[in-house]
Amino acid sequence: QSALTQPASVSGSPGQSITISCTGTSSDVGGYNYVSWYQQHPGKAPKLMIYEVSNRPSGVPDRFSGSKSGNTASLTISGLQAEDEADYYCSSYTSSSTLYVFGTGTKVTVL
Amino acid sequence: QVQLVQSGAEVKKPGSSVKVSCKASGGTFSSYTISWVRQAPGQGLEWMGRIIPILGIANYAQKFQGRVTITADKSTSTAYMELSSLRSEDTAVYYCARTDPPYYDSSGPPRYFQHWGQGTLVTVSS
Repeated sequence: QSALTQPASVSGSPGQSITISCTGTSSDVGGYNYVSWYQQHPGKAPKLMIYEVSNRPSGVPDRFSGSKSGNTASLTISGLQAEDEADYYCSSYTSSSTLYVFGTGTKVTVL
Repeated sequence: QVQLVQSGAEVKKPGSSVKVSCKASGGTFSSYTISWVRQAPGQGLEWMGRIIPILGIANYAQKFQGRVTITADKSTSTAYMELSSLRSEDTAVYYCARTDPPYYDSSGPPRYFQHWGQGTLVTVSS
């Protein structure tokens, strides 16, 4: 089971919108609406930001949104803020015995 | 409020084993699966395996099959991850994470990691 593919880095100015892609296969991202996204600040545990492609847990700002088309999922951050600077990982349930796979991770920089 | 509290940092010799614990509070322990995810220095997240406490059954990533053992003690709401034959590449922060929704949820399998432990640094060095 290979890691999902994400861009290594994405940057934007405060107030702008950015989108992070997450590409898998029909055995993971494309096969289920079970994609989730995690934010990780340095030295901290990951935090769930989006689950089931587009749902936000309580307390996550509505600036964060998710979508999926085919084998590629996306996380969009609208109205970028300084505190959004972090690493972001996607994850998907899979049809293999390795039940879950994470993306390669994307470093978001707020310019 | 769900909390997962992990055991402290470990330093191990190559070839030895390490056992990390994850004590849950604030929820129904047996109803949810607990996954273990590791992160090597400067690297991404990697799923290692999970335990289904209500069944006592574990599933493992192919990469770790035969080297990792995940167990749970329902009486203390604690999950454990033991990794054997340690090598330098196993140096990482190990996280436990509760996977939602509950195992027997009618909507489908557990599929996202809602709650995370604080992480345990395991250093493998001679």
